Amino acid sequence: QKEVEQNSGPLSVPEGAIASLNCTYSDRGSQSFFWYRQYSGKSPELIMSIYSNGDKEDGRFTAQLNKASQYVSLLIRDSQPSDSATYLCASQTAGNKLTFGGGTRVLVKP
Amino acid sequence: EPEVTQTPSHQVTQMGQEVILRCVPISNHLYFYWYRQILGQKVEFLVSFYNNEISEKSEIFDDQFSVERPDGSNFTLKIRSTKLEDSAMYFCASGRTVGSYNEQFFGPGTRLTVL
Repeated sequence: QKEVEQNSGPLSVPEGAIASLNCTYSDRGSQSFFWYRQYSGKSPELIMSIYSNGDKEDGRFTAQLNKASQYVSLLIRDSQPSDSATYLCASQTAGNKLTFGGGTRVLVKP
Repeated sequence: EPEVTQTPSHQVTQMGQEVILRCVPISNHLYFYWYRQILGQKVEFLVSFYNNEISEKSEIFDDQFSVERPDGSNFTLKIRSTKLEDSAMYFCASGRTVGSYNEQFFGPGTRLTVL
């Protein structure tokens, strides 16, 4: 069974701090990785994609990928209360289907 | 900004009835998907569709499920005889190729309740 694992949280961070989220995957055939944000009762919203080892930055978000360790992370800088949501990590193989982790709930406290 | 749309937002049906969930993908996307999320659980892949045919399906997508692209804009998921365990949020996604990966954008979902 190909799995994507995340700590369910909640990850509580003060406003303005950095939130650090982690994800591991078991399928070495996974080629690309995505972070989605999901507010309660809503659909997943794509916030970052990464397929090369290293860091990728977009605004306040930085995704990090280490294929040797099968590890993906997401940093959220200057966290805002509006960042409070569940963050889903997903892996993608050559067939394009996404395999999702269970998500990490983030709570940003003012 | 273009979005994926889905109708209805909420569908209530009796066990054994047929339901059709509808989606309008983003217009210039070529890849279409259905996922579902049972309350409190992971988002699960059901099926992918490309070039007017199924390209991959999961174990969940058995003979009770079918997909269709009846015209140039709609993409539908049919469940022939619903079961209680089909109750879930069903998300349609449309995808575009970016370099070596496929970015997928999700619609707002249809909440299916089977009684």
